[in-house]
Amino acid sequence: DTAVSQTPKYLVTQMGNDKSIKCEQNLGHDTMYWYKQDSKKFLKIMFSYNNKELIINETVPNRFSPKSPDKAHLNLHINSLELGDSAVYFCASSSGLAGGSTDTQYFGPGTRLTVL
Amino acid sequence: KQEVTQIPAALSVPEGENLVLNCSFTDSAIYNLQWFRQDPGKGLTSLLLIQSSQREQTSGRLNASLDKSSGRSTLYIAASQPGDSATYLCAVWNQAGTALIFGKGTTLSVSS
Repeated sequence: DTAVSQTPKYLVTQMGNDKSIKCEQNLGHDTMYWYKQDSKKFLKIMFSYNNKELIINETVPNRFSPKSPDKAHLNLHINSLELGDSAVYFCASSSGLAGGSTDTQYFGPGTRLTVL
Repeated sequence: KQEVTQIPAALSVPEGENLVLNCSFTDSAIYNLQWFRQDPGKGLTSLLLIQSSQREQTSGRLNASLDKSSGRSTLYIAASQPGDSATYLCAVWNQAGTALIFGKGTTLSVSS
């Protein structure tokens, strides 16, 4: 059983389009995250949600809008896609809110977004 | 602002060697530190998590140490195997404790 799943795995689209990436976790975790891994393989936090509430937004353009319909899902919608948005996007989850948490983060397989 | 550095960026060793991967962080006020493995085209797999109060953690052939005062962690891999070939990422929780801050990783290649 997949713990953290993402769809789609690959996404190729034109500049200016709007697209969404879905994430689901079946671990019963309270906290979910989105990370971006750029072409140099550097992994950086974008958002974190705890119990459907936004906890952190690391200066991500407002073209990116996360949506958490319930604790098990954190979807990422991107408006007006730009070339620089091409990257691999990873969803992750953990049991509690960090800050003393000893919980491991579990990652999804990633979504490779290519903007042409 | 917390920054994480990993050295070396890449490492190639013959099978059977013991090796050490290094991680350093600028702010010693961390909550915990986590080592991950990433295979090409795949997601991240957690290897070891060291709480801020711990000095080391072991799992099989892997041993991770933590020295908060010097801002360093090492991942020791014993008797390396070709299957260990992957990118190893070190990450610490940010100051607010709301997200992981990653290093750029060490890409390991173990030849048979």
